[in-house]
Amino acid sequence: QQQVKQSPQSLIVQKGGIPIINCAYENTAFDYFPWYQQFPGKGPALLIAIRPDVSEKKEGRFTISFNKSAKQFSLHIMDSQPGDSATYFCATRGNSGYSTLTFGKGTMLLVSP
Amino acid sequence: DAGVTQSPTHLIKTRGQHVTLRCSPISGHKSVSWYQQVLGQGPQFIFQYYEKEERGRGNFPDRFSARQFPNYSSELNVNALLLGDSALYLCASSLQGSSEQFFGPGTRLTVL
Repeated sequence: QQQVKQSPQSLIVQKGGIPIINCAYENTAFDYFPWYQQFPGKGPALLIAIRPDVSEKKEGRFTISFNKSAKQFSLHIMDSQPGDSATYFCATRGNSGYSTLTFGKGTMLLVSP
Repeated sequence: DAGVTQSPTHLIKTRGQHVTLRCSPISGHKSVSWYQQVLGQGPQFIFQYYEKEERGRGNFPDRFSARQFPNYSSELNVNALLLGDSALYLCASSLQGSSEQFFGPGTRLTVL
């Protein structure tokens, strides 16, 4: 059973555009929602994360919007650059001390020059 | 400071063989988790260890096992390899009580 549904599967935007990637979760016990960025041949790198007590978090050009009632959260990349071309994964984590991450299937983003 | 390191980088095995993958966490991190990432999918949780004890196990067969050493490094062992075990195996470390997990570059395992 997939606990985190991520969309779209792939995305192409022009330089300067604002790609938006969405995730939906099912388990209301999740209390931590990170986004990871992965380049080919590399491990995932933590980009930004949010907890359910806030509706938005911004770090540089990356913003997470969180809708607790809808059980959805999204990643927005402002002023996207070709160097942002990568695969992005949303994830969730439960609220027990040893909970681990459950990942979405990923979104492959291509930012054209 | 060095990040999470994993060895080897790449590995080619044949069906039925055994493999051992190694991970060194970030200095000061006592928790290590292992994930399997099949091509085109997100990482899937295999094991979590803290202070040498298994704290969590994902939905993987008993052919998969792991352990953590006193210096907090860890090994993932896979017996009787199947073609479907071909994947990128990722190790992540974290501070106890922290939600942030930091991933290594992974070991690319190919089973022929």
